Amino acid sequence: GEDVEQSLFLSVREGDSSVINCTYTDSSSTYLYWYKQEPGAGLQLLTYIFSNMDMKQDQRLTVLLNKKDKHLSLRIADTQTGDSAIYFCAETLGGGKLIFGQGTELSVKP
Amino acid sequence: EAQVTQNPRYLITVTGKKLTVTCSQNMNHEYMSWYRQDPGLGLRQIYYSMNVEVTDKGDVPEGYKVSRKEKRNFPLILESPSPNQTSLYFCASSSPEDSYGYTFGSGTRLTVV
Repeated sequence: GEDVEQSLFLSVREGDSSVINCTYTDSSSTYLYWYKQEPGAGLQLLTYIFSNMDMKQDQRLTVLLNKKDKHLSLRIADTQTGDSAIYFCAETLGGGKLIFGQGTELSVKP
Repeated sequence: EAQVTQNPRYLITVTGKKLTVTCSQNMNHEYMSWYRQDPGLGLRQIYYSMNVEVTDKGDVPEGYKVSRKEKRNFPLILESPSPNQTSLYFCASSSPEDSYGYTFGSGTRLTVV
C-alpha cells in the first residue's frame, strides 16, 4: 500500500543544519517531493527527486534518496528563522495521485 | 503570473446546504486535484483529474463531487455538507512537463455548523 511517514517536530538553532526525514512504502514511486507550508499559506514546491537519482542539491537544500530503505531526507544548510514552517514529503506514481506525509514542523530558534 | 486561484478563501455554512468551491489555473496544466488538510493528518487527496472529463477518486472522496468540463477549471461540490467536512481545502494543478510537481492554491477554510 501507499503510506508516507514523517516525524512531527524538529527544532534547530539558527545557522545549524536541519535534516528532515521521511519514509515511504511504495517502491514504484517515480517522483518524490518536498513541499514547504508557511503559516496561513498554501504549499510551495521546494524540490523533487526522480526515483533513479540518489542525491539532488539546490542551493541550501540537499535531497538524499535511499531506495533500498525507502528513505528520503531533506537537509537545509545554514538554517534561518525564515525557514520555520511545516515541511511535507510526498510521493507519486506518475499519474495524478500524490500521497503526502503528515508534515514536519521545523522551528528555528535565534 | 502563473497561479491556481480558489474561491472563496473562507466560508461558513450550515449542514445540508449545497456549496461549490471554485478552482482555476492559468498554466494549461493537464492534472488538477483537491486536497483537504486536517491537524495531525496531513493532506489527503479527495479527487484528481488527469484531463478534461477524466476524474478519479483519491483517498477521501465520500461526500464530495468534482467535474472537469474545461481544462482550466476544477470545482469541488459538496452536495450536503456535514460538520466532519470542516477543513482547510487546497486545489492544485500540475503537468508531466513539471515533473508532476503540483502548484497549490492559497486554500479555502470551510466551516460547517
